[in-house]
Amino acid sequence: AQSVAQPEDQVNVAEGNPLTVKCTYSVSGNPYLFWYVQYPNRGLQFLLKYITGDNLVKGSYGFEAEFNKSQTSFHLKKPSALVSDSALYFCAVRDNPSGQNFVFGPGTRLSVLP
Amino acid sequence: NAGVTQTPKFRILKIGQSMTLQCAQDMNHNYMYWYRQDPGMGLKLIYYSVGAGITDKGEVPNGYNVSRSTTEDFPLRLELAAPSQTSVYFCASSGSDTQYFGPGTRLTVL
Repeated sequence: AQSVAQPEDQVNVAEGNPLTVKCTYSVSGNPYLFWYVQYPNRGLQFLLKYITGDNLVKGSYGFEAEFNKSQTSFHLKKPSALVSDSALYFCAVRDNPSGQNFVFGPGTRLSVLP
Repeated sequence: NAGVTQTPKFRILKIGQSMTLQCAQDMNHNYMYWYRQDPGMGLKLIYYSVGAGITDKGEVPNGYNVSRSTTEDFPLRLELAAPSQTSVYFCASSGSDTQYFGPGTRLTVL
């Protein structure tokens, strides 16, 4: 069975500094990895995904994520944080492209301080 | 293109009451899902459907039922509401590998 860990409940970063939100995963086959963001009182919004190809994936709002197979990680990054990036971030994994069992991590709350 | 819509946005139920949470999508997606999100927790899958007429249990199906008579609609039924079902419920749909979420229904059972 697949699983996702987000080791940090909370990440604080100053505006303009780079940010990283960590995610590690466990799957039996090839991983299909996703990042979602949730703003207060809203549903989850898709940010980016890794299916195959380049290990560095670029997504919405200037976010990117790096897939590292040897470390089973898929960390979310942004070179320069904005206050408006403050939200709850979820990493998710599925174990094949047609499988429908998405597994979500517990979420990491990002606070960008002005 | 409205995406995934959910009604109602908020609801308060008494213990033992029943209700149906509505979910609809206009993207012609085959796959639809119901999740619950408890405070400080991630999402847990309640039920999912791979197409009209086909549904299956997720991680936490007890106390819920679903049906999928059309591609567009995937209602979630609570038959005997319990305080443990107080949560925020999200519906999602998927055409291939990415899920798209509705805005959620905040349910309180008192």
